[in-house]
Amino acid sequence: DAGVIQSPRHEVTEMGQEVTLRCKPISGHNSLFWYRQTMMRGLELLIYFNNNVPIDDSGMPEDRFSAKMPNASFSTLKIQPSEPRDSAVYFCASSLAGGPPGSQYFGPGTRLLVL
Amino acid sequence: DAKTTQPTSMDCAEGRAANLPCNHSTISGNEYVYWYRQIHSQGPQYIIHGLKNNETNEMASLIITEDRKSSTLILPHATLRDTAVYYCIVRARSTPYGGSQGNLIFGKGTKLSVKP
Repeated sequence: DAGVIQSPRHEVTEMGQEVTLRCKPISGHNSLFWYRQTMMRGLELLIYFNNNVPIDDSGMPEDRFSAKMPNASFSTLKIQPSEPRDSAVYFCASSLAGGPPGSQYFGPGTRLLVL
Repeated sequence: DAKTTQPTSMDCAEGRAANLPCNHSTISGNEYVYWYRQIHSQGPQYIIHGLKNNETNEMASLIITEDRKSSTLILPHATLRDTAVYYCIVRARSTPYGGSQGNLIFGKGTKLSVKP
């Protein structure tokens, strides 16, 4: 298995632009998680899905952030409009709900820089 | 979820065992102990988990005290590639239907530096 796939790996954009991050979970996994990592705040959970349904989005910072999971093999995290404080590494992870407890598999991350 | 306390940083000589402690004195009976690590510029990587018995896999061993209030992750023969931030997390088992138990809460972790 190729593992969790994220694209793009790096993104540089200007303030006010729309940013879309993409994730393909491991085949057969039915839980998907979006995390954000910064030096100041560490690794934070933004939202997670079970069977394509958003379960907990309490970590989403504000309305500028939205996430979708139209099918079991694809998810997007969108920021519109982007701001410099959104600069961070965004990780996607997947796991099998009800399977081996807690073992989430992380993607390589998308490094976002908003100028 | 119970909170964990880990040392900020540790050093270990290459080839020696690295013992990383974690305190979780408020752990509940249904909460597991998980260990993840994050190598620089990579996503976190699952290492091992346990409930109350000691566990071992190809990466590490996990020793949980009898009262479950603390645990130690052991890397038996540390290499330079084991230099990373190690996170100890306690969390209840996820259900087949998800729920708030599905997520992991990462703290600051321990930065392990393996030196030649």
